[in-house]
Amino acid sequence: NAGVTQTPKFRVLKTGQSMTLLCAQDMNHEYMYWYRQDPGMGLRLIHYSVGEGTTAKGEVPDGYNVSRLKKQNFLLGLESAAPSQTSVYFCASSPGRGISGQEYFGPGTRLTVT
Amino acid sequence: LAKTTQPISMDSYEGQEVNITCSHNNIATNDYITWYQQFPSQGPRFIIQGYKTKVTNEVASLFIPADRKSSTLSLPRVSLSDTAVYYCLVAPFTDKLIFGTGTRLQVFP
Repeated sequence: NAGVTQTPKFRVLKTGQSMTLLCAQDMNHEYMYWYRQDPGMGLRLIHYSVGEGTTAKGEVPDGYNVSRLKKQNFLLGLESAAPSQTSVYFCASSPGRGISGQEYFGPGTRLTVT
Repeated sequence: LAKTTQPISMDSYEGQEVNITCSHNNIATNDYITWYQQFPSQGPRFIIQGYKTKVTNEVASLFIPADRKSSTLSLPRVSLSDTAVYYCLVAPFTDKLIFGTGTRLQVFP
C-alpha cells in the first residue's frame, strides 16, 4: 500500500513550456486534491475532484487544468508555464468527508519555472 | 468557509506542553475543526479532528469550548521532532479543506 504518490519529484521548466503532474492513490479514495505551496506560505487549493470524471476549481485555479479519468489518478496540467507557478505541488486524497474525514498527502513535486 | 486565526510562530523546550490556539469566530453549525502537521519538504499529516468538547488521541488533544469560536491543540511533552508547522482548518465535514499559513513551532533542547 503506497498511499499517495506523485510523479515527478522535481522538474525545471522554461517559461511557456507545458507539463503534466501525475498523482496516484491506491486507497480507493473518492476525493482527490491538488495544492500548491509557496516558500513560507500555507497550502492553497488549486483544483479538486469528488469522484471519477468530476473536477472543480479551488482557490487558485488559473493557469492549471486537471483531469480525473480514472479513480486512482488525478492529473494536473500546466499548458504554458510561468515563473509565478514556481512552487511545491502537493496532491492529496480522502475517502470523502464521511467518518474518516481526513486527507492523505503525497510527498510533493518541486517545480521551478525559469 | 470559516476564517481561522492562529499565531504565526511559537517556541518551546523539550518536555514542555505546548498549546496552540486557533480562533474561528464565524464557525458554522456543520463545521468541523481539523489540525494538520507539516514537516519541511513533506506534505501535511492529519493530527486530530473534533466538533465539540475534547478529543484525545495518541498524538495530541483538542479542546473546543462550548461556543466553538476557538480551539486549542495541546501537544504533551514535546520533543525536537515536533518542530513543524501546525495548521488549524475549519470546514463542513463534507467539504474541501482550505489551509491558512499555520503556526511554526520551534522546539529547543
